Amino acid sequence: KNEVEQSPQNLTAQEGEFITINCSYSVGISALHWLQQHPGGGIVSLFMLSSGKKKHGRLIATINIQEKHSSLHITASHPRDSAVYICAVDEGQFYFGTGTSLTVIP
Amino acid sequence: GAVVSQHPSWVICKSGTSVKIECRSLDFQATTMFWYRQFPKQSLMLMATSNEGSKATYEQGVEKDKFLINHASLTLSTLTVTSAHPEDSSFYICSAATPNYGYTFGSGTRLTVV
Repeated sequence: KNEVEQSPQNLTAQEGEFITINCSYSVGISALHWLQQHPGGGIVSLFMLSSGKKKHGRLIATINIQEKHSSLHITASHPRDSAVYICAVDEGQFYFGTGTSLTVIP
Repeated sequence: GAVVSQHPSWVICKSGTSVKIECRSLDFQATTMFWYRQFPKQSLMLMATSNEGSKATYEQGVEKDKFLINHASLTLSTLTVTSAHPEDSSFYICSAATPNYGYTFGSGTRLTVV
C-alpha cells in the first residue's frame, strides 16, 4: 500500500492545454510538497502547502486536508513544462508519490 | 518496482563527529544518485550528483570536503557528514536515476547534531 498515490502516471498534452495532476495520501501530514524534476535529475520545489491554495505564475496548487487530496494545475501549458511532477508529503519523514511524467507537445 | 533503501532514517550525533548515510538500490543498478537536503520549513535543495565510479559534482555553496559522497558501486552511494555541527541538522534525501525506472527516492534521513 502506497501512502501517496499520484495520477495520472503519464500525461501528454498539447501546448496551451490546462493540466491537472492529482495526489491522494493516507497519512497525517505537516505539509505537502509539489516537486518538479527535469530529465537532468535536478529537483525544484514548486510548492509547499499545509492548507488552501497557492499560485505561482501559471502553476496553482490546492490541498484539501479533510479529503487528503491535493492537485497541481498548470494553465497554458508549454513544452518547457515537460518534466516529472512529484507529490511528497511530510509526516516527519517524507513519503513520495511515484511521479507524473508530463510531456507538452508544441 | 525500483526501491532505494536509505539508512538510517534518523540519527542524533554529537558536534564534531562524522555521520554516514547510505542509499542502496535494492533491485536495480543506480547509475546516478542525487543527494538533497532540506532545512526545516524550506524546500528540498540539491547538494550533489554522483555517478558510479567518478567524483561527485557539488552544487554551489556545498562544501565537498564536509559532505563526502562515495558512489563506488551501482547499488550503493554514501554521504558522510564530517565534523558535523548543529547547523548541519537537516533532512537528507537521496534519489536514484536509472535508464529504465526513471527516478526513485530514498525515505530520507533526519540528522540532528547536538
